[in-house]
Amino acid sequence: GAGVSQSPSNKVTEKGKDVELRCDPISGHTALYWYRQSLGQGLEFLIYFQGNSAPDKSGLPSDRFSAERTGGSVSTLTIQRTQQEDSAVYLCASSLAGQGAGNEQFFGPGTRLTVL
Amino acid sequence: GQSLEQPSEVTAVEGAIVQINCTYQTSGFYGLSWYQQHDGGAPTFLSYNALDGLEETGRFSSFLSRSDSYGYLLLQELQMKDSASYFCAVWATDSWGKLQFGAGTQVVVTP
Repeated sequence: GAGVSQSPSNKVTEKGKDVELRCDPISGHTALYWYRQSLGQGLEFLIYFQGNSAPDKSGLPSDRFSAERTGGSVSTLTIQRTQQEDSAVYLCASSLAGQGAGNEQFFGPGTRLTVL
Repeated sequence: GQSLEQPSEVTAVEGAIVQINCTYQTSGFYGLSWYQQHDGGAPTFLSYNALDGLEETGRFSSFLSRSDSYGYLLLQELQMKDSASYFCAVWATDSWGKLQFGAGTQVVVTP
C-alpha cells in the first residue's frame, strides 16, 4: 500500500467495553510499533513487533492492553474493559527493520479513541 | 530508563531561524531522531543523528553532542507551513526498537 493505514479513524465507546484497533503497515516493513498520544502530549511507546514477535511489551499500561500481529503484516491492539483514561489517539508506525537504530518510522493517521 | 527535555513552545516570524534544544538522559544511547507533527496529522521523520556533528537537509539541520547528551534541530528560513510540533526521540541500547519521545516543542510561525 501507499502508506500505513489504521482503522477505525474514530471510535467512541462506553466505559467497560472492549475495543480493537487495527493497523496495516507498509508492505515489506518487518517492524511495527504502537504508540499512544494524549492531547497536547508526546508519543508514549506501547509495544513493538519484529515480524510476528513482540520483543518489548514494556510500554503496555496494564494487562487490559494486548496486541498481536499475524503474517508479519496486520496488527491489532485490543483494550479490554476500557476506562476514561484510555481516551487518546493511538498511532501505529512501521519501518523496514526494527533492530537498526535510527530506521525511519512511517506513521499511520491514528485512531482517536473516546471512552465515555 | 530515559528522559528527554525540550522547550514546550517557540514563536518566531517568517524568515527567521529557530533552534529547538533537546537534552536527554539514558543508560545507553544509539542516536537521536527528530519528528514533525502538524495539528491533527501523523508524525513524519525529519532526521537521525548517531554521531557528533551537524546533519543538514535543506532548510532543516540537526546536531548532536554525545558527550553533552544534547542535540538540537535548526529550522532556517521559517515558513508558515513549519508551524507544527517537533519531537526529539532517543534510541536507547536497553531496548531494541523502542523509540522514546520527548513531550514536543510547538513552533508557531507568525507573519
